Amino acid sequence: AQSVTQLGSHVSVSEGALVLLRCNYSSSVPPYLFWYVQYPNQGLQLLLKYTSAATLVKGINGFEAEFKKSETSFHLTKPSAHMSDAAEYFCAVREGGGADGLTFGKGTHLIIQP
Amino acid sequence: DAGITQSPRYKITETGRQVTLMCHQTWSHSYMFWYRQDLGHGLRLIYYSAAADITDKGEVPDGYVVSRSKTENFPLTLESATRSQTSVYFCASSGRPGQGASEFFGPGTRLTVL
Repeated sequence: AQSVTQLGSHVSVSEGALVLLRCNYSSSVPPYLFWYVQYPNQGLQLLLKYTSAATLVKGINGFEAEFKKSETSFHLTKPSAHMSDAAEYFCAVREGGGADGLTFGKGTHLIIQP
Repeated sequence: DAGITQSPRYKITETGRQVTLMCHQTWSHSYMFWYRQDLGHGLRLIYYSAAADITDKGEVPDGYVVSRSKTENFPLTLESATRSQTSVYFCASSGRPGQGASEFFGPGTRLTVL
């Protein structure tokens, strides 16, 4: 069975500092991995996804994530935080060819300090 | 407008009443999904559908019923609402998940059961 663990329900960084949101997964088959962002009172927006092509994936708004099979991780980073990055971030996994939806982590609330 | 829409956006109902949440997508995606979002749980899959007239249970299906007579619509019905079903409900759609297709989410319906 697949699962996702997001370390830290809340992460606070200063504006201009590095953003690092952690995600570890478990999957019995090669996974597809996703990061979504949710702004207040809105739906989820796809930031980026890993589908077994490049291990370093670049997404929207300057975010990127690196797939590390040996560490079963897919951490999300951004070199310089902006106030507009404040939101809830979800990591999600889908096992290989499965068509039965995504398994989500519990989310990390990113706080940006001025 | 193209995309995925949900209605109503907000709903207050009473215990024991039947409630139907609507979801409509204009991309002709084969796959559609219903998730619920609760604090501390992230998003959990309720039901999904691979095509018209094909539906299957997700992680938390009890108390919910779905149907899909047309590709573009995927209504979710709470046959007898309970307070534990107070939540934010998200509908999503995607192309072929087995090929790494992303899920696109609607804006959500906030349901309160009194």
